[in-house]
Amino acid sequence: KAGVTQTPRYLIKTRGQQVTLSCSPISGHRSVSWYQQTPGQGLQFLFEYFSETQRNKGNFPGRFSGRQFSNSRSEMNVSTLELGDSALYLCASRVSGVDTQYFGPGTRLTVL
Amino acid sequence: QQQVKQSPQSLIVQKGGISIINCAYENTAFDYFPWYQQFPGKGPALLIAIRPDVSEKKEGRFTISFNKSAKQFSLHIMDSQPGDSATYFCAASPSGYSTLTFGKGTMLLVSP
Repeated sequence: KAGVTQTPRYLIKTRGQQVTLSCSPISGHRSVSWYQQTPGQGLQFLFEYFSETQRNKGNFPGRFSGRQFSNSRSEMNVSTLELGDSALYLCASRVSGVDTQYFGPGTRLTVL
Repeated sequence: QQQVKQSPQSLIVQKGGISIINCAYENTAFDYFPWYQQFPGKGPALLIAIRPDVSEKKEGRFTISFNKSAKQFSLHIMDSQPGDSATYFCAASPSGYSTLTFGKGTMLLVSP
C-alpha cells in the first residue's frame, strides 16, 4: 500500500498570502489529521477530519482551516500568512477505530 | 493539562549501548502512548505503542516501560546502532481520538 502523500513538499509564500496544502491518506483510511511542527513549539495538533466532517480541532486561530473530500483526501488552508506560520505541516491518516496514525513526509512552508 | 514532558532534549550513546528516553504526562484521560522516530526531511514513523493496562512492551530492540501511578513512560533502545540516530517523540492521546499530544522530542546520536 502506498503511504500518506502530501503535496507540495516545499512552498515559499509571502506574508498576507494564503496557501492550500493537500494530503492523500493511505487507501482505506478515512480519518485524516493535520499537525504543525516547529522548532519552538514542536508537534501540535491542528484538526482531524472523518467522513468529510471536522471531528476535533486544536488551539489554532481561525486562519487555519481544512476540509475533507468524499475520497478522504484532505486539504488545509492558511489565510493571511504570518512569519510564524513557517513550519513543517504534517498529515496523518488512520483507520477509524484504530489508534495508530501514519504520517506523511510533510509540506515545508516558508513565509517571507 | 494536556502536556507531555520529555527528557532529555538530546542524548549521545555509544554503539551497543542502551538509550533511555523518559516522558511524563498529566492528563489521566490519556490511554494510548506511542513513540515516533523522525529522520531529517521525513515524517514521524511509529515505533511502538502501549496502553496503561500493560507495564512493559517489547518489539525487537525497542521496549516501552509504563508506570501508571507515576504517570510516566519511557523508551529503551537496546544495542543502539548508528542507524538509530534520529529524533524520538513520545505522545499521548485518549483512545479513539487522533489528538496526539507530543513531547518536545529527543535528538539521539549513536556514535560508532
